Amino acid sequence: DQQVKQNSPSLSVQEGRISILNCDYTNSMFDYFLWYKKYPAEGPTFLISISSIKDKNEDGRFTVFLNKSAKHLSLHIVPSQPGDSAVYFCAASAGGGSNYKLTFGKGTLLTVNP
Amino acid sequence: GAGVSQSPSNKVTEKGKDVELRCDPISGHTALYWYRQSLGQGLEFLIYFQGNSAPDKSGLPSDRFSAERTGGSVSTLTIQRTQQEDSAVYLCASSPRGGTASYEQYFGPGTRLTVT
Repeated sequence: DQQVKQNSPSLSVQEGRISILNCDYTNSMFDYFLWYKKYPAEGPTFLISISSIKDKNEDGRFTVFLNKSAKHLSLHIVPSQPGDSAVYFCAASAGGGSNYKLTFGKGTLLTVNP
Repeated sequence: GAGVSQSPSNKVTEKGKDVELRCDPISGHTALYWYRQSLGQGLEFLIYFQGNSAPDKSGLPSDRFSAERTGGSVSTLTIQRTQQEDSAVYLCASSPRGGTASYEQYFGPGTRLTVT
């Protein structure tokens, strides 16, 4: 029973265009959401996050949108660059002061073509 | 500063042998997590340590898996009598304590375990 789902295993975009990565979740107890980026043979790197009390968080080229009623979040990368090519994982936590363990989706492989 | 380090980076072992995987968290981080990533899957939570509190072992898949964290720093994940389904990348992460920073985990490069 997957609580965090990334339904697109891969996405290919042209350099300079927008990349939109999607994520759906089922557990209404999740109160914090994160995106991680992973290159081959490296550990995941934290990218951006959003609390459940917000609907948008922006950091440079990266923006995360949260739609709680739809249990959906998305990561927008504008403009996309070839160096953004990596696997992107959506993660969620129901920490609330105790165990902040993350529940991850299976990831989306983003390829940005020059 | 130094990030999370893990050793070994790769481990090949025969079915039935025991293995130990090591994690050095970021200095000052009180929380430490172990996850594993099997082929084609997302990261799966295994165990969580927070300071001197009893660890949350709810993610360990069987009693062949155990972990320790000595002195609130270094952690060792032990897998006894390894099976082929234990083959995966084992990732360690640490995080500071306090506010939203508690959610943001910093990962090591992982140990790729192959059981033959």
